Amino acid sequence: AQSVSQHNHHVILSEAASLELGCNYSYGGTVNLFWYVQYPGQHLQLLLKYFSGDPLVKGIKGFEAEFIKSKFSFNLRKPSVQWSDTAEYFCAVNEESNYQLIWGAGTKLIIKP
Amino acid sequence: NAGVTQTPKFQVLKTGQSMTLQCAQDMNHEYMSWYRQDPGMGLRLIHYSVGAGITDQGEVPNGYNVSRSTTEDFPLRLLSAAPSQTSVYFCASSSTGLAGYEQYFGPGTRLTVT
Repeated sequence: AQSVSQHNHHVILSEAASLELGCNYSYGGTVNLFWYVQYPGQHLQLLLKYFSGDPLVKGIKGFEAEFIKSKFSFNLRKPSVQWSDTAEYFCAVNEESNYQLIWGAGTKLIIKP
Repeated sequence: NAGVTQTPKFQVLKTGQSMTLQCAQDMNHEYMSWYRQDPGMGLRLIHYSVGAGITDQGEVPNGYNVSRSTTEDFPLRLLSAAPSQTSVYFCASSSTGLAGYEQYFGPGTRLTVT
């Protein structure tokens, strides 16, 4: 069965530090890739997505992610985090033409002011 | 647009009680789904629907029923609540076009079963 792994369950950074959250998936075919964010007490919102084309995708709030097909990875990055980036981040994958998303367990990011 | 709406926001049930969590979307999305979110476990799919009249089970369907009589509504029924069903429940919808099935989420229902 397909699976999605997020390497870190908790990450604590200081403001202005750089961020990279890992995401790996197990499916070998064509996939769509997503990062969602859940701010405290709120519902999930789409941060960015990859369907095809340029493997480096840019999302909202200065986030970006790079799809590396050979490594089955879709890591999320931000050069300089802010206190307001404190949230839980979820990576999700679906196979092409399949509606169902497979979710990672999430990474809780805490930014110290 | 309201997007995806869910009611209630909070609910406390006693073991054995039944209830229905409501979900509606106004984006004419064909695909709708219910997830539960538990600490450290991400989102787990309970049931989903690819259109009115069509539903199917997800990863954790036991104890839950769904129906899809209209495109807009996708209620989730707890038949006989158990403490293990204490969770946050999210409804989501997506189009079935070429947009890669990006899912839009409702605000969630926090359910406690005592």
